Amino acid sequence: EVQLVESGGGLVQPGRSLRLSCAASGFTFDDYAMHWVRQAPGKGLEWVSGISWNSGSIGYADSVKGRFTISRDNAKNSLYLQMNSLRAEDTALYYCARVIAAAGYGYYFDYWGQGTLVTVSS
Amino acid sequence: AIRMTQSPSSFSASTGDRVTITCRASQGISSYLAWYQQKPGKAPKLLIYAASTLQSGVPSRFSGSGSGTDFTLTISCLQSEDFATYYCQQYYSYPPLTFGGGTKVEIK
Repeated sequence: EVQLVESGGGLVQPGRSLRLSCAASGFTFDDYAMHWVRQAPGKGLEWVSGISWNSGSIGYADSVKGRFTISRDNAKNSLYLQMNSLRAEDTALYYCARVIAAAGYGYYFDYWGQGTLVTVSS
Repeated sequence: AIRMTQSPSSFSASTGDRVTITCRASQGISSYLAWYQQKPGKAPKLLIYAASTLQSGVPSRFSGSGSGTDFTLTISCLQSEDFATYYCQQYYSYPPLTFGGGTKVEIK
């Protein structure tokens, strides 16, 4: 059974940093690209960032580019999101998701974790 | 970035109804479209990919159609467990991946 478990969320002041983790199990982690998607309270889904199986291809939403860094450790079956210079508008539930690639195009999300809540407030 | 627009944003329906949700892309995306269902307090769940391919385990009352810029998600006979919010997502262009704003299906 595919399982994705996020951790690392919490309350943080504006301008500070936070590192999210996602522990994956139930599948061969390094066979898949992995992504982060967030959802602000009461709002819709927003793609944040994605990383290929070997970390060779990385993408970011414009809203987080230059502030967030995605990474993975295939030996630990883990995905990470380093979030710096946090803003109030980064407040959201952050989901880790496994993706399926459409060769030459983008990705869709076939499995999601339950999310970890990040609240940015003074 | 490709903008995805869903309509309506919400509506009420009764168990047994046939319901249709529309998703429009700001430019052609061929059939690179997925649909998700999200229930309150839960993670989204993949229903359909490639515009019309049902994900394994998803009931056959769900169906998707369309290509280019206009897509629909249809639930042929609404069940109580189908009351949820539905999102479309394009994966024709990356980055970014983009979602529609969501359609909430409520009980009448």
